Order: sequence, then structure tokens, then C-alpha cells
Amino acid sequence: AQSVTQLGSHVSVSEGALVLLRCNYSSSVPPYLFWYVQYPNQGLQLLLKYTSAATLVKGINGFEAEFKKSETSFHLTKPSAHMSDAAEYFCAVSDGETSYDKVIFGPGTSLSVIP
Amino acid sequence: DVKVTQSSRYLVKRTGEKVFLECVQDMDHENMFWYRQDPGLGLRLIYFSYDVKMKEKGDIPEGYSVSREKKERFSLILESASTNQTSMYLCASRDRNTGELFFGEGSRLTVL
Repeated sequence: AQSVTQLGSHVSVSEGALVLLRCNYSSSVPPYLFWYVQYPNQGLQLLLKYTSAATLVKGINGFEAEFKKSETSFHLTKPSAHMSDAAEYFCAVSDGETSYDKVIFGPGTSLSVIP
Repeated sequence: DVKVTQSSRYLVKRTGEKVFLECVQDMDHENMFWYRQDPGLGLRLIYFSYDVKMKEKGDIPEGYSVSREKKERFSLILESASTNQTSMYLCASRDRNTGELFFGEGSRLTVL
């Protein structure tokens, strides 16, 4: 069965510092991987996704993630944190993009940005 | 603009009541999902549907059922609400071309 782990339920960084949010997955087949962001009192929205075209994926708002098969990881980074980046971030995995494939989410990481 | 609409943002129900949570999408997506979100546990999949009248259990289906009579509407039903079902419920639909999930704003259910 698929599963996703996110190391660190809460991460705090200073404004302008590097953001690194960790995600590891377990999947028996080459996975589809996603990062979603949830701002307070809102639903989730897609930041970026990996679907085997390229291992380094660029998303919205300056975020990017690198797929490392040997480490079963898909960590999210941003070179310079902004106050508006404070939110909950979720990593998700799916075995495919067909209608029969579940999308499983990790427990989430809450990012705080200190001025 | 794509849209997933959940009928109620906040609900308060009593133990034993039957609860309906409605979700409507306007994107003609075949795939729809219900998750519950709890602090420290992230999103857990309750049920999903891959077509009208079709449904599959997710990871935590106990105590829930679903209905998909029309393509645009996916309903979550709590036959007899219990206090441990107090949670935020999120509905999503999926674009089969991109794999992206589109979420509603959530329904926060409190069961007293």
C-alpha cells in the first residue's frame, strides 16, 4: 500500500532563508508525486507535481522539488522564504492518473516564517 | 474558473443524527474524493468515486457511506454521527489529464 511520510510536523524559518520540507514515499510502482499547499481557512491547491518527465520539478511561487528514486524522496524547497509562504504543506502520492487510482496524502508540515 | 463547492462550511450535529455533506463540481470530472482532515494526521481518504454510481472505499470508510447519482455531485453520508467524526471534511475532484486535484473549502463538522 502507498504511504507518505513528512519529517517535521512544524518548520520555522526566517524571512529570506531557505525552505526545505521533507517528503518520503513508499510505492510499489513508479509514483506520481504532488505537493499541495493549504492557506488558513481554505482548501488545498496544487504547488507542483512529478510525473516522470523530469526529476527536478518547478512549481508556483518559486517552489521546486526533486524526485530521488534511490532515496524514495520528493523534498520541497524554496531559496528564499516570504511571509506569504506561511501555510500547511502536504505531500501526496498516486500510483497513476487513471480514475481508479487513489491519491494518498502525508500528515502535513506547517511552515512558519519569522520576520 | 474551476470550482468545487461544498454545501456547508460549518455544521453542528448531535450524536446519532444522520448527516449529509454535499459536494458539487463544475468541471465535468469523473473522479471525486472525500477526505477528512485532522491535526497531525493530514488528509485521510474516506471514499472515492471514478464514475456515476461507482464508488471505492478509501482508508477509513467505517461509519461513512457515499452517493454519486450525478456526475457533478458526490455526497458523504454519516448514518449515525458519533463524536469521533468531529472533523474537517474535504471534497475534491480530479482532472484526468493532469492528475491535479481541485478541492472545496471544506466542511467543519462538530458532533456533540
